Amino acid sequence: DAKTTQPNSMESNEEEPVHLPCNHSTISGTDYIHWYRQLPSQGPEYVIHGLTSNVNNRMASLAIAEDRKSSTLILHRATLRDAAVYYCILRATGANSKLTFGKGITLSVRP
Amino acid sequence: GAVVSQHPSRVICKSGTSVKIECRSLDFQATTMFWYRQFPKQSLMLMATSNEGSKATYEQGVEKDKFLINHASLTLSTLTVTSAHPEDSSFYICSARGGLAGVKETQYFGPGTRLLVL
Repeated sequence: DAKTTQPNSMESNEEEPVHLPCNHSTISGTDYIHWYRQLPSQGPEYVIHGLTSNVNNRMASLAIAEDRKSSTLILHRATLRDAAVYYCILRATGANSKLTFGKGITLSVRP
Repeated sequence: GAVVSQHPSRVICKSGTSVKIECRSLDFQATTMFWYRQFPKQSLMLMATSNEGSKATYEQGVEKDKFLINHASLTLSTLTVTSAHPEDSSFYICSARGGLAGVKETQYFGPGTRLLVL
């Protein structure tokens, strides 16, 4: 599986935008970019995913570089409930593809 | 949205006993289910993948005779930890992926089951 690289941690202020970067220089043409987040003692929660174009949903936006070697998860207004570990994961299409979790980035939100 | 449930949410058992954890997809048919394990301060580790009606595929290093997985229907998978020992104490999380339009490429996770083996 192609790997992703994320910073270990990031701090943000409440109600300010947050940009979480992810590098995936070995991404292949069939890899989707998935983002999940995990709050303490909970299962991961789906955030967003994309292939080539930028994506928006009610939780976040995903900006994908033109060469697809990096992407950024954007939380438009951070809240205290957004404090979590965010995982950027590549997954190929196909019935046998799997989500392999790395260490993720720990986001702290200051009130 | 797609919901995955797990039962029980936490369980304490004695060493040597077996524990069964259930995972259900509540509003979609899960063609594929996954079982993960997470130790404190670590990331999720995939244990096995199962497709409905067929045998599970285990990741390297995961004992298939110790962690029995059954995916009997499109909405239910079970993980049985046999002859549990203290080192099996962990957070077990299931995940499901289905063919429902709009969620085909998305994998949804259960809330996890905390297992403590005494």
